[in-house]
Amino acid sequence: QKEVEQNSGPLSVPEGAIASLNCTYSDRGSQSFFWYRQYSGKSPELIMFIYSNGDKEDGRFTAQLNKASQYVSLLIRDSQPSDSATYLCAVNIVDSSYKLIFGSGTRLLVRP
Amino acid sequence: DVKVTQSSRYLVKRTGEKVFLECVQDMDHENMFWYRQDPGLGLRLIYFSYDVKMKEKGDIPEGYSVSREKKERFSLILESASTNQTSMYLCASRITGGEQYFGPGTRLTVT
Repeated sequence: QKEVEQNSGPLSVPEGAIASLNCTYSDRGSQSFFWYRQYSGKSPELIMFIYSNGDKEDGRFTAQLNKASQYVSLLIRDSQPSDSATYLCAVNIVDSSYKLIFGSGTRLLVRP
Repeated sequence: DVKVTQSSRYLVKRTGEKVFLECVQDMDHENMFWYRQDPGLGLRLIYFSYDVKMKEKGDIPEGYSVSREKKERFSLILESASTNQTSMYLCASRITGGEQYFGPGTRLTVT
């Protein structure tokens, strides 16, 4: 069973700090990696995707991918209370190009 | 802008009823998915479809069926609703190898 692992949290950070969310995956051949944000009672919203090793920045968000170590992380700079949500990591596995495998999510709390 | 829409945001049905959940996407994505999400259990894949009239079982297909007669539309059917099918149902679509987008979800309550 291919797995995607996330710490369930909650991860609590003060407003203005950097929040670091981590995700490990078991399928060494995975090529595509996605981060979703999900507010309570709402559906997941895609916020970042990354396909190559290294960093990818989009506004206050940076996705980091290390395929050799099989982890992907999401950094949120200048965290705001509105960033408080559950963040889901998703990975495209090799033996099914159609579907993503989702982690169970990390709950982030940003304290004002 | 990618758009995935679901027919209802909230639905209340009685035990034993046949329930239809509809999903439509406007981005010509070949892949469509139905998930359910319950507290503490994360996203669980029920069924997915990679082409018109094609379907594959996900992790929890029991008690559900699906239909995809047109590329943009993917329906989830609960043949005889039971209380343990009370959940949030999420539809998603995706181009192969690319990003996946979710609909707003349907919160189904079976009484």
